[in-house]
Amino acid sequence: EAGVAQSPRYKIIEKRQSVAFWCNPISGHATLYWYQQILGQGPKLLIQFQNNGVVDDSQLPKDRFSAERLKGVDSTLKIQPAKLEDSAVYLCASSLSITGANVLTFGAGSRLTVL
Amino acid sequence: DAKTTQPPSMDCAEGRAANLPCNHSTISGNEYVYWYRQIHSQGPQYIIHGLKNNETNEMASLIITEDRKSSTLILPHATLRDTAVYYCIVRSDSSARQLTFGSGTQLTVLP
Repeated sequence: EAGVAQSPRYKIIEKRQSVAFWCNPISGHATLYWYQQILGQGPKLLIQFQNNGVVDDSQLPKDRFSAERLKGVDSTLKIQPAKLEDSAVYLCASSLSITGANVLTFGAGSRLTVL
Repeated sequence: DAKTTQPPSMDCAEGRAANLPCNHSTISGNEYVYWYRQIHSQGPQYIIHGLKNNETNEMASLIITEDRKSSTLILPHATLRDTAVYYCIVRSDSSARQLTFGSGTQLTVLP
């Protein structure tokens, strides 16, 4: 089966600019996650969708980050305006369901550098 | 979900078994132990998970102690491609909560 697709793989922007990342999960996976991974740390969840509804966005900095999952398939994560501390890899993952064996499949990630 | 403790780094000789420990002394009865790994510049990859019985698949074996307070991930014949950060995560399968990653163990397989 095809994996989780993410784009772009790399993005360099200046602070206060905006950026958007796109994710296409595995077909049929109802649950989609966006994680932020800062260099040297483990991934941290930003937002979790079940179909097109938000399950958990408690760690999403809502003053600058937004995410949507139109029609319960693809998802977009946006940062506006970006800060230096947003430099990180943004990982998208998907799983079949929200409960049960939590086997997540991750994409390769989008690496953001904010100058 | 229970917190886990892992050593920050370990080395292993190529061809030997790699034994990665994880402490989860506050684990609850309905919480599973999951292992993921992350090879450099890639997203995390699922390895294995278990509740109380030992588990084995094509990638690894998971040994959980009888009191379930600790576990060991075993890579039976480590190769250079197994060099990665290994994450041990505890989570209830009845929970809608996401996986919470710690800092993991950096395993370096040496030639």
